[in-house]
Amino acid sequence: DAKTTQPPSMDCAEGRAANLPCNHSTISGNEYVYWYRQIHSQGPQYIIHGLKNNETNEMASLIITEDRKSSTLILPHATLRDTAVYYCIVTGGAGGTSYGKLTFGQGTILTVHP
Amino acid sequence: DAGVTQSPTHLIKTRGQQVTLRCSPKSGHDTVSWYQQALGQGPQFIFQYYEEEERQRGNFPDRFSGHQFPNYSSELNVNALLLGDSALYLCASSGTGGIISYEQYFGPGTRLTVT
Repeated sequence: DAKTTQPPSMDCAEGRAANLPCNHSTISGNEYVYWYRQIHSQGPQYIIHGLKNNETNEMASLIITEDRKSSTLILPHATLRDTAVYYCIVTGGAGGTSYGKLTFGQGTILTVHP
Repeated sequence: DAGVTQSPTHLIKTRGQQVTLRCSPKSGHDTVSWYQQALGQGPQFIFQYYEEEERQRGNFPDRFSGHQFPNYSSELNVNALLLGDSALYLCASSGTGGIISYEQYFGPGTRLTVT
């Protein structure tokens, strides 16, 4: 699985968009980008994933650059409840041997303040 | 519909003892993965079970073993506990019909403290 790099921490004002970057320059052509978050004292929660097109769901949007070497998770209107550690994970390529294994890094601690 | 449940929520053990942690997957899921999360770190993959077999294993010693039952629930066993085994142990379920999925549902975890 490709390695990812995320900033250790970010701040965001409540009601504003939170844009969390992730670099994955060694991503292979069939690997997906997954985002999870972990609110304090809870298990990680799946947010969204994508291959090369931008994706949007009820929680967030995922923007993947054309060369697929980086991506941005966007929380359009951050609330205090969005304060969490956000993990960017690259995995799941066809023919790979990950078999559903998620490799978490250190993630980005997002703090949403009033 | 209950999500992933784990028991117990907290556990304190002494070095050298053995521990068993339990997990019930989300309804409809047939695959269970276990992760260890040390304080301040991201979760680390221990192993994954499907059809009562270990399908994949992370870089953990043989002291860590598991089991999956016909109803898809799972146990994680750790023998000869070390202080370094103190961590949050997370169970995640996924998949239907053996389909490998990276969209996993996590339980709240079991906090293990080894003294």
